[in-house]
Amino acid sequence: ETGVTQSPTHLIKTRGQQVTLRCSSQSGHNTVSWYQQALGQGPQFIFQYYREEENGRGNFPPRFSGLQFPNYSSELNVNALELDDSALYLCASSELLGTGELFFGEGSRLTVL
Amino acid sequence: DAKTTQPPSMDCAEGRAANLPCNHSTISGNEYVYWYRQIHSQGPQYIIHGLKNNETNEMASLIITEDRKSSTLILPHATLRDTAVYYCIVRSPFRYGGSQGNLIFGKGTKLSVKP
Repeated sequence: ETGVTQSPTHLIKTRGQQVTLRCSSQSGHNTVSWYQQALGQGPQFIFQYYREEENGRGNFPPRFSGLQFPNYSSELNVNALELDDSALYLCASSELLGTGELFFGEGSRLTVL
Repeated sequence: DAKTTQPPSMDCAEGRAANLPCNHSTISGNEYVYWYRQIHSQGPQYIIHGLKNNETNEMASLIITEDRKSSTLILPHATLRDTAVYYCIVRSPFRYGGSQGNLIFGKGTKLSVKP
């Protein structure tokens, strides 16, 4: 059984650019959630995908968007990057009707200059 | 989801039991208590969860008071590798739509295990 994997692990972008982060969910999990974690803070929920559709969203603007693919892998896209977007981006997978545990990847650390 | 209160930091000697408290006085009947931890610069790791009975797994024990208003996570023999931020989260697992994946993380307890 493979765990949640994310890529890239680190990247640097400049303001105004766009970024795509990728996540492969744990085997057997059909739901993917994305979180943003700023330095020194707890993770904050961005959105969740189930069956290739977004079905829940936190307090993030539309320039944060995502995709889920038929194999349950997912992408997070952020347009028009701002300095405050610098953070650790975490992907978590789960079963929609499971017992509530989320399994997180190691994250992608984004630095916006 | 019910709000939780945790001490910001705790120390524990290596080899001793680490007891991490959490208050959740507004917990409702269908909400479970979940614990996660996050080792520096890694993703959060699920530890354990429970409803009202005490639970134990290979990582830890969870003790929930009879009135369910507080709980304690116990690491029976803490090691240096247990140094992490520990998050107590209260929620119902049986949720549909977008709320399934939405965990509300507070600031957690930073546990430092010292030699």
